[in-house]
Amino acid sequence: SQQGEEDPQALSIQEGENATMNCSYKTSINNLQWYRQNSGRGLVHLILIRSNEREKHSGRLRVTLDTSKKSSSLLITASRAADTASYFCATVYNFNKFYFGSGTKLNVKP
Amino acid sequence: GAGVSQSPSNKVTEKGKDVELRCDPISGHTALYWYRQSLGQGLEFLIYFQGNSAPDKSGLPSDRFSAERTGGSVSTLTIQRTQQEDSAVYLCASSFPGQDIPHFGNGTRLTVT
Repeated sequence: SQQGEEDPQALSIQEGENATMNCSYKTSINNLQWYRQNSGRGLVHLILIRSNEREKHSGRLRVTLDTSKKSSSLLITASRAADTASYFCATVYNFNKFYFGSGTKLNVKP
Repeated sequence: GAGVSQSPSNKVTEKGKDVELRCDPISGHTALYWYRQSLGQGLEFLIYFQGNSAPDKSGLPSDRFSAERTGGSVSTLTIQRTQQEDSAVYLCASSFPGQDIPHFGNGTRLTVT
């Protein structure tokens, strides 16, 4: 399968703590992206990391990519209740094929 | 500006009926994707359109599913003889050519009773 697989499936933390989600994949990619989904509807793009990059930051988000291990991680620092959502990684092939994993459900308790 | 628009937002249909789901991409976006998301699951790729090229239909689960894109803009996903397992949220996304980031609509929640 070309899908990314997220781990853990669910994560529950207290507000202010950091949340780490992981994504593993099986074949070479062009880039990897992380998305957020609220209430099972539209996805919001969070961050893109290219295959020749190792780390990217955006606000409270930090993404790493290890192509040798075919894995990525998304770190949300100083989490807030509003961060409660499902997070998906998407592995991108041929610049036009996006494959999504099953997601990590994050619950941030106030 | 306007984002990707999908209609209807919710659709309830009886088993065996045909349904049409519509996607209006962002103006100028030549790439258009359809995905299906069953309850609590990830997104399943269905079909991809890029400009005038032949669409990539490799994700369509059966011949009951088809999609068209008229004039390089609006797309319609048609499901014939719906089955209960077709119940899901159908998401559409579009992007500029060469842009890696697709923009998603809010989806159509299809319920087959």
